[in-house]
Amino acid sequence: GAVVSQHPSRVICKSGTSVKIECRSLDFQATTMFWYRQFPKQSLMLMATSNEGSKATYEQGVEKDKFLINHASLTLSTLTVTSAHPEDSSFYICSTQAAPPTDGTQYFGPGTRLTVL
Amino acid sequence: AQSVTQLGSHVSVSEGALVLLRCNYSSSVPPYLFWYVQYPNQGLQLLLKYTSAATLVKGINGFEAEFKKSETSFHLTKPSAHMSDAAEYFCAVSDPLKAAGNKLTFGGGTRVLVKP
Repeated sequence: GAVVSQHPSRVICKSGTSVKIECRSLDFQATTMFWYRQFPKQSLMLMATSNEGSKATYEQGVEKDKFLINHASLTLSTLTVTSAHPEDSSFYICSTQAAPPTDGTQYFGPGTRLTVL
Repeated sequence: AQSVTQLGSHVSVSEGALVLLRCNYSSSVPPYLFWYVQYPNQGLQLLLKYTSAATLVKGINGFEAEFKKSETSFHLTKPSAHMSDAAEYFCAVSDPLKAAGNKLTFGGGTRVLVKP
């Protein structure tokens, strides 16, 4: 399968600060990347779909001004959690998808554990 | 709208025993179907997928799944469990009629515990 990296793997920050998480597609050009959030012992919750060169599409209930997504190249998407608060603490996972036509397969990064103090 | 139901949030099996994880879907058209595995504090790894070819799909680590349209199911099996199979397993579907930005809809997950 495709190789996807995320950086950092773990981050601890103070309340009110912003945190940027990078997602890189290492072995193919990903026209579409997805950002998920996962709470302990729960399934993945899709936050947004990131398309290269255009604005991200956010799922209902996800604040786009709080979770800024940038997909500036075919191999890199970033998620910035702005003015983070303890309730933003979670496991954030990105995934990549090849250019269409696609069967929908997504390849996932290893995740980023965010802890907001 | 599509949905996925995984019966049983937890499954406990003995080492060497059959592993059976159930997945049922709801979709207006036969979807693409996926099984992913997640080890603690890691991302998801693709185990196998069904994309309208053979209904019996073989994946990595000795897992296989069979697509049964009449039962709207895609159950995952492994004949003999190994300790390393202890993980969380997710069933997911996507819409074959969509092209770019084809989202996955995930089930709630099933945690597998393997007893020695």
